Order: sequence, then structure tokens, then C-alpha cells
Amino acid sequence: DVKVTQSSRYLVKRTGEKVFLECVQDMDHENMFWYRQDPGLGLRLIYFSYDVKMKEKGDIPEGYSVSREKKERFSLILESASTNQTSMYLCASSLLGTGGTEAFFGQGTRLTVV
Amino acid sequence: QKEVEQDPGPLSVPEGAIVSLNCTYSNSAFQYFMWYRQYSRKGPELLMYTYSSGNKEDGRFTAQVDKSSKYISLFIRDSQPSDSATYLCAMSRAAGNKLTFGGGTRVLVKP
Repeated sequence: DVKVTQSSRYLVKRTGEKVFLECVQDMDHENMFWYRQDPGLGLRLIYFSYDVKMKEKGDIPEGYSVSREKKERFSLILESASTNQTSMYLCASSLLGTGGTEAFFGQGTRLTVV
Repeated sequence: QKEVEQDPGPLSVPEGAIVSLNCTYSNSAFQYFMWYRQYSRKGPELLMYTYSSGNKEDGRFTAQVDKSSKYISLFIRDSQPSDSATYLCAMSRAAGNKLTFGGGTRVLVKP
């Protein structure tokens, strides 16, 4: 059974804290993605990576950074958390190229910044 | 203006009715069109995908793409209470490429 695992389901952090969200996939996928989901806005792409140590900015990268040191792991970092980063964060992975139509998602991390 | 527009709903239908969902988009470079279903407190899961224009059927689900109108649809026949979820359309320029999502439509099927 394919799996994308996010380290936490719920997180509460204080304004200004550095926050790490971890994602691991066991499908040997090249692509990994971080989205945030907000009511009425759908999923918006923060960053994605198509290979180890490679990263590309998505549509809303400001205030975030990422790290991909191993193929199976993709981390999202909030350098200094702010209340407007309160959201549901979703990690996904997919194959590169013609086999990559389907993106598999994790369960999501609901982050609250207070 | 968003690249992909989707009515947020909620859409409430009686059990057994046909559910009709749609999205419009502005970027003619999109080639792959997908529908994801998301249950409450879960991640999205792929329902169907279509390459370019045309129809695709899978059981009770039918996806349609009209690239000339930049319009995609999902129909659910004989809807069940278990179909109650948020449905998200998504599009990409190439297979394996990043996805651009609509805002999602919440569907409620009442017994």
C-alpha cells in the first residue's frame, strides 16, 4: 500500500518560532510537493522538488523554505512562524514523467500559530 | 483572477441523484485534468484523470473535458451518502508536473 506520511497531524506553535514539517514517502517517487489548503482557496503550491537537493518555488513560497537531503524525505520549514501561516499543510509525491499523473497525498498537518 | 475556478458549494442532493461538478480554467497549456476527492480530515485522493479533451467513465463517475471552452466536468450517478466529500479539480501541463487546483466543491448527499 502506497504511503505518504506526515510527521504530525496537529501542531500549535508560537509566533516567531522556527517550525519543521516532515514528510516521508515509501514509493521511490522523484517528485515531492508541499501545498497549503485554506477554505475557499483550495490547494496552493508552496515548493516542490523533482530530485534530491533540487527545489523549485511554487506559487506562494514567501516565508517558507524546504530541504530534500534524501529521496524519500521532504521537509518544509517556516523560518519565523506568523499567524497568517495557520493552515492545513499537505505533502504529496508523484513519479516523474509519463507515470506521474497521480499525486499521492499525506493526511495533512493542521498548524495553528498563536 | 485564479487560474482555475470552481464553485465552492455546498451542493446538497438527495441520495440517488446525479451530482454535477465543474471547473473553468484560463491556461490553455493545461493538458492533464484530474478530479480528487477529499474526505474530512483526510488528504485528497485521485478519482479520475483525463488527458486532453474527451470523456472518461469509471463506474458511477464520468469526467468530461472541453479544451475549446476551457471547461471540465465530473458527474456522479446514483449518488450515495458515502460520496459526501469535497471534490477538487486539478490540472497540469505535463504528466508528473505540478498541479494547479480549484478551490473545491463541498458535496453533501442526504439519505
